[in-house]
Amino acid sequence: QKEVEQDPGPLSVPEGAIVSLNCTYSNSAFQYFMWYRQYSRKGPELLMYTYSSGNKEDGRFTAQVDKSSKYISLFIRDSQPSDSATYLCAMSLNRDDKIIFGKGTRLHILP
Amino acid sequence: GAVVSQHPSRVICKSGTSVKIECRSLDFQATTMFWYRQFPKQSLMLMATSNEGSKATYEQGVEKDKFLINHASLTLSTLTVTSAHPEDSSFYICSARVVTPGLAALWETQYFGPGTRLLVL
Repeated sequence: QKEVEQDPGPLSVPEGAIVSLNCTYSNSAFQYFMWYRQYSRKGPELLMYTYSSGNKEDGRFTAQVDKSSKYISLFIRDSQPSDSATYLCAMSLNRDDKIIFGKGTRLHILP
Repeated sequence: GAVVSQHPSRVICKSGTSVKIECRSLDFQATTMFWYRQFPKQSLMLMATSNEGSKATYEQGVEKDKFLINHASLTLSTLTVTSAHPEDSSFYICSARVVTPGLAALWETQYFGPGTRLLVL
C-alpha cells in the first residue's frame, strides 16, 4: 500500500460548481497536511496546510483532515476556469521532515 | 515572491550520455535545495537534499554515483544524470528553501522550480 493515495483524474466540472479533491494515507504518524496547485509547465505552489484533524478555510478553499479515517480533502467553492490545474496533496511527520506527495489530481473547470 | 528557475526545461539525449540540470534561486539565497523526480502517473519523489558547500544526502534507492549533485553557491545547485538510460526518463523538479528567522516549516519556505523533462533515447 502506497503511503499516499490520490485519484489522478482528470476531473471535469462546470464553472461555479463545488470541487472536492481527496487523498487517503496509511501512516497515522503524519501530522501536517498540505495542498499544492501545479499549473502546466510550472512547479507546485503551496495552497494551504493544516495541522492534525480539523478544517481550515482560505477564501474559496477549504482543507479538511480526518485523522481517524486517514482522509484529507480540499474543497473549492465557486470554481473558476483559472482553477484548472493539477492539485497535489502532501503530508509530513513534522515541520522539518521530508514531504510525501500524492500523484496529483488533474482538474478541469469548464466555462 | 521567491522564484526558482531550472535549465533546461526539456532535454533529449542518447543513452549513455550525461545530462546536467541547473537549479537557481533568482531573488533569494538558498542554503538548502532539493531534487525531486516524477515518473509519469506517479508521485513527486524526493531524490536528494543538498546543502551549500557540503555533500548531498540521498534518499534510499537513489544512486549517488549516477545522480551527481553539486551545490556550489547559495543560488545554484546542479544535478548531473551520468550515463543516462531510458529508464531515467522523467520529470526532474528542484526546490530551494529560503532562509527565514524563526522556525518556519519546510513547506512554508520551499519554492519549486518549473521542472526539467528528460527523455533518454
